[in-house]
Amino acid sequence: AQTVTQSQPEMSVQEAETVTLSCTYDTSENNYYLFWYKQPPSRQMILVIRQEAYKQQNATENRFSVNFQKAAKSFSLKISDSQLGDTAMYFCAFLEPYTGANSKLTFGKGITLSVRP
Amino acid sequence: DTEVTQTPKHLVMGMTNKKSLKCEQHMGHRAMYWYKQKAKKPPELMFVYSYEKLSINESVPSRFSPECPNSSLLNLHLHALQPEDSALYLCASSQDGQGFYEQYFGPGTRLTVT
Repeated sequence: AQTVTQSQPEMSVQEAETVTLSCTYDTSENNYYLFWYKQPPSRQMILVIRQEAYKQQNATENRFSVNFQKAAKSFSLKISDSQLGDTAMYFCAFLEPYTGANSKLTFGKGITLSVRP
Repeated sequence: DTEVTQTPKHLVMGMTNKKSLKCEQHMGHRAMYWYKQKAKKPPELMFVYSYEKLSINESVPSRFSPECPNSSLLNLHLHALQPEDSALYLCASSQDGQGFYEQYFGPGTRLTVT
């Protein structure tokens, strides 16, 4: 079974600075997908970024980028120019596709990020 | 448009009540999901519907009964719930259930069982 580990329960960053959220995972599969989801205090879960394991290039979405290290099974999220609206719980998630049945999203425990003004 | 809607936003019910949660998406997605989420915890998968058929039931108690009337709509019928069932119930959808596509979540229904 796949596992996703987010070892830091909480982090804090000053507005406009850069912060990196860590995530490691364990799988024996070669083909899979990784995601970061953001859940602000309003509780809407929002997809931040997606990475396909077969792609060597790290995904980026505006101020959000990932450092995907497949061999190390590491998938960290970098938030540049942090904004107050980035305050949220962030979940790292793993998805393994396979045919003939439905695939489940495996979440890490999450990390609470606070952006200080 | 990546919108999943859920109604109601909040629900308070007694242990003997029967109520339903509703979820809707118009993205043409063929897989829909129900999750239960406690505060400060990740979502826990309850049910998966793929092409309007129940494909995964994560050993959820029978007091929760899912229904998928069509490809856009997902219901969760609630009956004789316990106080520990109080949680945020999230609906999600994805293009299919094969695991090649990300899931999009609705805003959730905050359920309180008294």
